[in-house]
Amino acid sequence: GQQVMQIPQYQHVQEGEDFTTYCNSSTTLSNIQWYKQRPGGHPVFLIQLVKSGEVKKQKRLTFQFGEAKKNSSLHITATQTTDVGTYFCAGSYAGNNRKLIWGLGTSLAVNP
Amino acid sequence: DADVTQTPRNRITKTGKRIMLECSQTKGHDRMYWYRQDPGLGLRLIYYSFDVKDINKGEISDGYSVSRQAQAKFSLSLESAIPNQTALYFCATSDPTGGSYGYTFGSGTRLTVV
Repeated sequence: GQQVMQIPQYQHVQEGEDFTTYCNSSTTLSNIQWYKQRPGGHPVFLIQLVKSGEVKKQKRLTFQFGEAKKNSSLHITATQTTDVGTYFCAGSYAGNNRKLIWGLGTSLAVNP
Repeated sequence: DADVTQTPRNRITKTGKRIMLECSQTKGHDRMYWYRQDPGLGLRLIYYSFDVKDINKGEISDGYSVSRQAQAKFSLSLESAIPNQTALYFCATSDPTGGSYGYTFGSGTRLTVV
């Protein structure tokens, strides 16, 4: 079935280091969304990518969608303690856009 | 006020009891969803509704039922709660036709079944 694999499951960095999480699908995605969930909080929508090869930036966050629309990444430059949380990707597929398929998330811990 | 409100925030119930989790939204979105979150398992879809007359099972609907009372209200019921339904439950809304592609989540209901 359709599934989105997300790696790594956990990442522990020193403040100021960079961080990247990756999502991969075995089949072509229609689009992909990224969410952040702070500890004890709820998922918050960050961005949606739709076009092949698309790159979008939000301050220190860079989101990429692969050329084949089968993978995506979120890169954080110079992490801060405020970046702590779990980052989820969620994709939808052509012909089945009624629901998102979620990755299991990457939990980011940042040492000050 | 929050765009998506879930009640209660926390609930402890006994095995076999019926319990209802409520969700209301002020975003005017047609699409509403119920998810449960368990450590290491991510977000799993229980039910979703695209309008009052369109209700669909998700990947883990067994043991749950829903009611879409109005565009703004979507309730989740556990007819006879069991301990493995202990989890964090989220309601969410979306409106892709209106440009709101991302889901807006409520703050969650932490349910413990003892």
